[in-house]
Amino acid sequence: NAGVTQTPKFRILKIGQSMTLQCTQDMNHNYMYWYRQDPGMGLKLIYYSVGAGITDKGEVPNGYNVSRSTTEDFPLRLELAAPSQTSVYFCASSPEGNQPQHFGDGTRLSIL
Amino acid sequence: AQSVAQPEDQVNVAEGNPLTVKCTYSVSGNPYLFWYVQYPNRGLQFLLKYITGDNLVKGSYGFEAEFNKSQTTYHLKKPSALVSDSALYFCAVRDMGGNNRLAFGKGNQVVVIP
Repeated sequence: NAGVTQTPKFRILKIGQSMTLQCTQDMNHNYMYWYRQDPGMGLKLIYYSVGAGITDKGEVPNGYNVSRSTTEDFPLRLELAAPSQTSVYFCASSPEGNQPQHFGDGTRLSIL
Repeated sequence: AQSVAQPEDQVNVAEGNPLTVKCTYSVSGNPYLFWYVQYPNRGLQFLLKYITGDNLVKGSYGFEAEFNKSQTTYHLKKPSALVSDSALYFCAVRDMGGNNRLAFGKGNQVVVIP
């Protein structure tokens, strides 16, 4: 089992560029999440999804968009990259909301 | 809204000594509580959860966590620390009757000294 796979692992963007962070899971989990991790700040929830076609905002959604057209995939889109979006981004999934989440290994994004 | 406090930035412990990582939570209803561990350049890995039942939860690799409802704490413990336990540890809470969001603490760096 691959679990949760995130691509790319590293990326450098210029201010104003856009990109999509990919996330796919092969565990048939209903719930999927996007977090950002900044040093000393823990994880902040950006968006989450409880199933295909359903998404909802988390704690820090501004500057990001998501879609969930299939159970497996949950891409995160940055439309106009800003230096404040420099972070490590983690995708996670769980069978239901009260179950442990399985995490990918993250995408390290720098915006210069 | 739910929240977690992990009061210590770093916990230093000698190898073989007991390890404790503290967590205090806040929810409006009953909590679901989790501990995760993160190694360098990796995602978080699940360690333990508390949903209902015994207040002492035993997990893998000798880790356990103690739920205390009156003090709203969920401390992570290990009787004898190993150098390989050096990592970043996160406590997380979800309100059982609330939304689907998990609130994470800021994390505790554990350093086990040989």
